[in-house]
Amino acid sequence: EDQVTQSPEALRLQEGESSSLNCSYTVSGLRGLFWYRQDPGKGPEFLFTLYSAGEEKEKERLKATLTKKESFLHITAPKPEDSATYLCAVQAEETSGSRLTFGEGTQLTVNP
Amino acid sequence: DAGVIQSPRHEVTEMGQEVTLRCKPISGHDYLFWYRQTMMRGLELLIYFNNNVPIDDSGMPEDRFSAKMPNASFSTLKIQPSEPRDSAVYFCASARLVTVLTFGAGSRLTVL
Repeated sequence: EDQVTQSPEALRLQEGESSSLNCSYTVSGLRGLFWYRQDPGKGPEFLFTLYSAGEEKEKERLKATLTKKESFLHITAPKPEDSATYLCAVQAEETSGSRLTFGEGTQLTVNP
Repeated sequence: DAGVIQSPRHEVTEMGQEVTLRCKPISGHDYLFWYRQTMMRGLELLIYFNNNVPIDDSGMPEDRFSAKMPNASFSTLKIQPSEPRDSAVYFCASARLVTVLTFGAGSRLTVL
């Protein structure tokens, strides 16, 4: 069974204080790993897709990296508007079509 | 584009009542997903459709749940009869590329 574990569950940062969120996964062959951002009262919003170990993607203050067992979402000099829950999801090669397995998320709070 | 549109945004009902949640996907997207989000279990895939055909309904909890997609622009998720443990936020998402999901704002269901 595919498993996704995110840590920490919650993270509080001061504005400008860089940090990383972790996503550990267990799948029988990774087809893709995905990061989403979810604001309160809204649906998740797509951020990145990573397909192979060593791949990196960047968007503004966010950078996602991937190894064979985990992914990191690095946040550089965060701002209060980066406060959200960040969700990681995996798609396994053997699962039917489009099934994504989500982790439970990291709730990030950035204080001004 | 208005994005994925879900209705109602909030539903409060009593145990035993029928609940119908509705979704209008983004035009041109050929995949539609129904997810459920709770504090205990996070985001769980219930069912997804490709070109209006149900592909994987293994996440549907039991026979009380049913989903239909009569055409490319409309889907429903029905719960009959509803139970308190069905209380959750139900998200609809659509996609053109199978893994880049666009989520709606969700329908928050409370069953008393």
